[in-house]
Amino acid sequence: GENVEQHPSTLSVQEGDSAVIKCTYSDSASNYFPWYKQELGKGPQLIIDIRSNVGEKKDQRIAVTLNKTAKHFSLHITETQPEDSAVYFCAASSNDYKLSFGAGTTVTVRA
Amino acid sequence: DAGVIQSPRHEVTEMGQEVTLRCKPISGHNSLFWYRQTMMRGLELLIYFNNNVPIDDSGMPEDRFSAKMPNASFSTLKIQPSEPRDSAVYFCASSFQSDEQFFGPGTRLTVL
Repeated sequence: GENVEQHPSTLSVQEGDSAVIKCTYSDSASNYFPWYKQELGKGPQLIIDIRSNVGEKKDQRIAVTLNKTAKHFSLHITETQPEDSAVYFCAASSNDYKLSFGAGTTVTVRA
Repeated sequence: DAGVIQSPRHEVTEMGQEVTLRCKPISGHNSLFWYRQTMMRGLELLIYFNNNVPIDDSGMPEDRFSAKMPNASFSTLKIQPSEPRDSAVYFCASSFQSDEQFFGPGTRLTVL
């Protein structure tokens, strides 16, 4: 089955700086890569996703890049704000329902 | 849209008791997922329904766990009998013919 590894497990950044989270996957058939943000006491919320026919996707301060050859994808958050503090999960799926999640990254934005 | 609705939000029970978790998916969605989240194992898919039919229950831990979806707007996850190791946050998610899954707020289960 799919194995998704996520790094780092914790990330502390100064407000206004950028944050980068990296994930690798094992199944070359995976073609859908969503990112979820989970705030304390809430369910994961989809913030951005990318499919394997696209190398990069951007939505305001958030961007995701995908390298199919190397089987890794990354989340980039620019101009971080305190409300970006949360746990972020990457996931991968091979065009079916089954999402394999990374272990999560706890992001803390210092004011 | 109200999003995925789960109840109860918190459940505390004693070992051996039956626990029933409830989920109302987003209206119009035809896929429903039950997940369990723990510190040790992260987010795990327990069972997946498509058009009210269980498609994959390979993630259900054991026979003590069962899930039903009697109609498109309601699903239950039942644990009988419950054990302390079942303590976790249980999430329901739904989607419409895509990979984009929308999660509910979760039920925090504590089994004493």
